[in-house]
Amino acid sequence: NAGVTQTPKFRILKIGQSMTLQCTQDMNHNYMYWYRQDPGMGLKLIYYSVGAGITDKGEVPNGYNVSRSTTEDFPLRLELAAPSQTSVYFCASSYSRDIDSDQPQHFGDGTRLSIL
Amino acid sequence: QKEVEQNSGPLSVPEGAIASLNCTYSDRGSQSFFWYRQYSGKSPELIMSIYSNGDKEDGRFTAQLNKASQYVSLLIRDSQPSDSATYLCAVNVARSSASKIIFGSGTRLSIRP
Repeated sequence: NAGVTQTPKFRILKIGQSMTLQCTQDMNHNYMYWYRQDPGMGLKLIYYSVGAGITDKGEVPNGYNVSRSTTEDFPLRLELAAPSQTSVYFCASSYSRDIDSDQPQHFGDGTRLSIL
Repeated sequence: QKEVEQNSGPLSVPEGAIASLNCTYSDRGSQSFFWYRQYSGKSPELIMSIYSNGDKEDGRFTAQLNKASQYVSLLIRDSQPSDSATYLCAVNVARSSASKIIFGSGTRLSIRP
């Protein structure tokens, strides 16, 4: 049982380049999340999804896009990389039956992204 | 006001003592509360979840929830050097048809031998 798998683990981009961070989970979780964590800081929610075909913005969505075509996959796209997007990106998933009850999140190992 | 607030620390506690970590949240409708531990360079891992008012104990860890006062805390008894890490409080925030988990900025805990 792999849990939440993120690829790549490390990446260096030049300003203006684009890339997609991949995230897949094999736990049949309905909820999936993307967070970024800057050095010495907490996790900030970028986007989340409550199921296939449904996505919503988090706290810091600018500069990112997501899609959720399947239950398993939740890729995060950076269209025009900027130095401010240098961070560690975590994908997470959880199971939630209803709006008032959430189960703990399972995290991937993270993607360390540097924009130069 | 931030949705989830924690004292950033660092909190320094002698080995064997009790470490007390606190978290406050702004959404009165929140029902799910989590404590995660994060070692430097690693992903967060779940320590405790709590959904009802009162205390919940799991080994050396006790989570305390007070919904009326909107705070949740984590006590670590008999603190060990391996407990040195950043502790993240997470709370669900309900919005119309969906909810989302919001994290605090974390409290850095250091256990001194």
